[in-house]
Amino acid sequence: GAVVSQHPSWVICKSGTSVKIECRSLDFQATTMFWYRQFPKQSLMLMATSNEGSKATYEQGVEKDKFLINHASLTLSTLTVTSAHPEDSSFYICSASPAGISSWQYFGPGTRLTVT
Amino acid sequence: AQTVTQSQPEMSVQEAETVTLSCTYDTSESDYYLFWYKQPPSRQMILVIRQEAYKQQNATENRFSVNFQKAAKSFSLKISDSQLGDAAMYFCAYRSARRSGGGADGLTFGKGTHLIIQP
Repeated sequence: GAVVSQHPSWVICKSGTSVKIECRSLDFQATTMFWYRQFPKQSLMLMATSNEGSKATYEQGVEKDKFLINHASLTLSTLTVTSAHPEDSSFYICSASPAGISSWQYFGPGTRLTVT
Repeated sequence: AQTVTQSQPEMSVQEAETVTLSCTYDTSESDYYLFWYKQPPSRQMILVIRQEAYKQQNATENRFSVNFQKAAKSFSLKISDSQLGDAAMYFCAYRSARRSGGGADGLTFGKGTHLIIQP
């Protein structure tokens, strides 16, 4: 149980375009979902926290107009990178906390974004 | 803000031996959670072990155990009988136990330790 999926697993887009990444909790309802970014050979950095039905909370230094997060249902959160640039190329990982068990987080497999 | 420090960028251990990975953290909170995650080359984050700060007893999961020293803000991971499959990046992580805005808090990660297992 407690499986989180991400789609796509790898995406290449051209500079200036937008790309959407989906994060789904497959067998549980997620009150809260998180988005992390991991640059090569570095650690995970929390980008934003989204609670179902409300606006996402962004970490300091993360542009909310560039990284649009939507958590419209208890099983789906999306991250849209708008007007992508090569410096946005990274590994994006989502995690989800089950409703009522906020101390646990389950991670998705990640999405590799390459902006050319 | 909380910080997590892993001072060992890389560790190497012989197969079947024991290795300890270090982690220290800084927080002004009294209630929180600490985690060790494993990230193999696939990059899937795998939870190794979890510790609740209010529990004095050190968490154990089979060959994995922690030495949690709350006063010293130290949370080391001991891997016994190391196996080739243990080779990976290991991240120490912190999470507040408070629930802000009605939801959970995200994790703060250390920079990681690359564990190499020598056959």
